[in-house]
Amino acid sequence: KNEVEQSPQNLTAQEGEFITINCSYSVGISALHWLQQHPGGGIVSLFMLSSGKKKHGRLIATINIQEKHSSLHITASHPRDSAVYICAVSGGGNKLVFGAGTILRVKS
Amino acid sequence: NAGVTQTPKFQVLKTGQSMTLQCAQDMNHEYMSWYRQDPGMGLRLIHYSVGAGITDQGEVPNGYNVSRSTTEDFPLRLLSAAPSQTSVYFCASSSLAGGWNEQFFGPGTRLTVL
Repeated sequence: KNEVEQSPQNLTAQEGEFITINCSYSVGISALHWLQQHPGGGIVSLFMLSSGKKKHGRLIATINIQEKHSSLHITASHPRDSAVYICAVSGGGNKLVFGAGTILRVKS
Repeated sequence: NAGVTQTPKFQVLKTGQSMTLQCAQDMNHEYMSWYRQDPGMGLRLIHYSVGAGITDQGEVPNGYNVSRSTTEDFPLRLLSAAPSQTSVYFCASSSLAGGWNEQFFGPGTRLTVL
């Protein structure tokens, strides 16, 4: 079993829909990261969080440490949100363990 | 700031050839790392460094060497390329100040080994 599991693996949504991507992990962590990777592009950090909730524009990330679970929400989705969303955890220091990613496609 | 830069962007090698993937950062970050990304799998850590002169192995180090002679540069060497090393390679850097920190990724190098 992978230490970091994401669901769903693939997600297709209509423009404007509310989207949720889930991440579960099995190890103790000091922080959880959400990353975005556009097709053929590099990887950018969206959020780092160790508790509670963070919001940036239309993106919201939450984490429940007791349940070892995090969610990434996208409100009012847009085709430009189409990308791979990656969850990663760090147990201490800067070493990350990554999930396999969720491929999101938003249709107009 | 250029951030994290990687060269080349694309490379094709024959089995047995050696090459070096270059990575540089201009943010004075102590921590640098190399990952490989394969279809259907998460990024996997190859090697990492917490400062000049200090390197350590990650999850999949076999077939790769690294060195860190300066804070800025962290090259990854493939000693004798194999088809199993066909992958996309990402370099990343982050500060070590204050515990866990945002990682900055380079644009990636797509390597094909024939």
